[in-house]
Amino acid sequence: QQQVKQSPQSLIVQKGGISIINCAYENTAFDYFPWYQQFPGKGPALLIAIRPDVSEKKEGRFTISFNKSAKQFSLHIMDSQPGDSATYFCAAGKRGADGLTFGKGTHLIIQP
Amino acid sequence: DTAVSQTPKYLVTQMGNDKSIKCEQNLGHDTMYWYKQDSKKFLKIMFSYNNKELIINETVPNRFSPKSPDKAHLNLHINSLELGDSAVYFCASSQSLAGVEQFFGPGTRLTVL
Repeated sequence: QQQVKQSPQSLIVQKGGISIINCAYENTAFDYFPWYQQFPGKGPALLIAIRPDVSEKKEGRFTISFNKSAKQFSLHIMDSQPGDSATYFCAAGKRGADGLTFGKGTHLIIQP
Repeated sequence: DTAVSQTPKYLVTQMGNDKSIKCEQNLGHDTMYWYKQDSKKFLKIMFSYNNKELIINETVPNRFSPKSPDKAHLNLHINSLELGDSAVYFCASSQSLAGVEQFFGPGTRLTVL
């Protein structure tokens, strides 16, 4: 059972455009929703995270939108740059020792 | 200074061998994890370790065993390696179990021939 579904699997965006990646979760016990960025040959690095008590969080060009009733959240990258080309993972977590449940990742390519 | 480090970065070995991957964190965190990333880049939790309490993902074969000599180290020992064990293994740490930021290591690419 895949508890966090992520789409699209791959995405090509022109430089300066908006990149949008979507995720949906099933377990209502999740209370922490991070996005990770991974470059080839590197470990995932936290980009931005949100808790379900807010509907939106913005950090620089990165924004998370969160819809608790729909059990969905999304990442928006404004003014996308070639350096943003990477694999992005949404994840969900809850208090306890279960670790994070990851989506399957989105391979993002920003064309110059 | 590297926050979460792993050794080795690459590991190539034959089927049936036993190998270990080492992980160290210098963040003073209480909780450490092992994740497996398969060839399709899917990341899946294998173990969580907090204050000597080990939480095992039920899908992990018992050939995999984490060992923690102290709070800053969580090593992964794998017995009788199989072809399907080939993957990238990531160690991570967090301050606590409360769903806070997890810091990942650079990964160990394991190839079983």
